[in-house]
Amino acid sequence: KAGVTQTPRYLIKTRGQQVTLSCSPISGHRSVSWYQQTPGQGLQFLFEYFSETQRNKGNFPGRFSGRQFSNSRSEMNVSTLELGDSALYLCASSLRSPFNEKLFFGSGTQLSVL
Amino acid sequence: QQPVQSPQAVILREGEDAVINCSSSKALYSVHWYRQKHGEAPVFLMILLKGGEQKGHDKISASFNEKKQQSSLYLTASQLSYSGTYFCGTAVLQGAQKLVFGQGTRLTINP
Repeated sequence: KAGVTQTPRYLIKTRGQQVTLSCSPISGHRSVSWYQQTPGQGLQFLFEYFSETQRNKGNFPGRFSGRQFSNSRSEMNVSTLELGDSALYLCASSLRSPFNEKLFFGSGTQLSVL
Repeated sequence: QQPVQSPQAVILREGEDAVINCSSSKALYSVHWYRQKHGEAPVFLMILLKGGEQKGHDKISASFNEKKQQSSLYLTASQLSYSGTYFCGTAVLQGAQKLVFGQGTRLTINP
């Protein structure tokens, strides 16, 4: 079974630009969660999608958004990039809910904002 | 409602034991443990559910104290391969159903 795939692996953008990151979950998994990882901050929850609906959202500004498609693939978008958005963005999938199931993480997208 | 992990970092010699703690101010439904090696994705270790038993696998085990909203991860006779950053994730009983992770504990095992 293929694992969670995230693309691209690396991104370099400048302030003010926008970016779209992609995540393909494990086949059969319907829940996709997104996390931002920065040194010293651990894994900060962004949002979680299930069956094309956002079920939960973390404490991030509206510049961070996401969506999920009917095949469970998910994208997240960050508009008007700021220097502080530089981070590793991880997505994780599970069968139905991250609440009580094992999460499978992708390798992440390393975003650098210059 | 981010859980608090302690210690933030620990350095051990191979064969020594380690305990990593995770505490929350909210009533918890579940506690999750993951390990992340440098440059790699976090990898699942175990889940402890409210009302469940202490979990364990080989020399890594964990407990969940529901009254104190605390969990501890025990690494016995540590091996070099145990090095990495350990994250606990918590899901609260009431409110939004989301898994929130602590800041991590960096574990270094030296020969």
